[in-house]
Amino acid sequence: EAQVTQNPRYLITVTGKKLTVTCSQNMNHEYMSWYRQDPGLGLRQIYYSMNVEVTDKGDVPEGYKVSRKEKRNFPLILESPSPNQTSLYFCASRRRGGRVGQPQHFGDGTRLSIL
Amino acid sequence: DQQVKQNSPSLSVQEGRISILNCDYTNSMFDYFLWYKKYPAEGPTFLISISSIKDKNEDGRFTVFLNKSAKHLSLHIVPSQPGDSAVYFCAASFRSEKLVFGKGTKLTVNP
Repeated sequence: EAQVTQNPRYLITVTGKKLTVTCSQNMNHEYMSWYRQDPGLGLRQIYYSMNVEVTDKGDVPEGYKVSRKEKRNFPLILESPSPNQTSLYFCASRRRGGRVGQPQHFGDGTRLSIL
Repeated sequence: DQQVKQNSPSLSVQEGRISILNCDYTNSMFDYFLWYKKYPAEGPTFLISISSIKDKNEDGRFTVFLNKSAKHLSLHIVPSQPGDSAVYFCAASFRSEKLVFGKGTKLTVNP
């Protein structure tokens, strides 16, 4: 089954304690991205990756890091989490090339609470 | 500056009637538009899309209309069903890998 898998689904942690949210896709997609969803603000892109070892900032990258060492994985790293990073996070992937604007496949989300 | 706007945070319709969700955009360079549906505790799922070279795309009960001169698109759901109750996101892209999303409209279809 084609899917994007995020872990953990839920996490409560404290300010300053480094955490990593993993994302893995099994569709051999080149493009992967991270979004955060906040009430009244919709989905905002944090980082994206066009392919292995190629990453770039989205609209709200401050406080986040990513890496893309393998095609299937795109972890989101919060080196020193702060309460304003409490949010619902989504990872997404899609194929590059072909029709412009190909739809992205989203994971089921990770709800982070930073106390 | 919000490039994709969904000005109605919520919409309520009766089962069997038409649901019309609206989206406005400011960037005339956008050339592809998509609608996503999101249920609670799930990620968004792709619903329907339209290229800027078209003004209408239909898929079963779902039709998306694009008015480029007005920079406006709409999603019509006919007939609406209770299972359509979800948050709908409009998104746009311009020849790049990045999608710009609106804030979403919560649709409630009442039985």
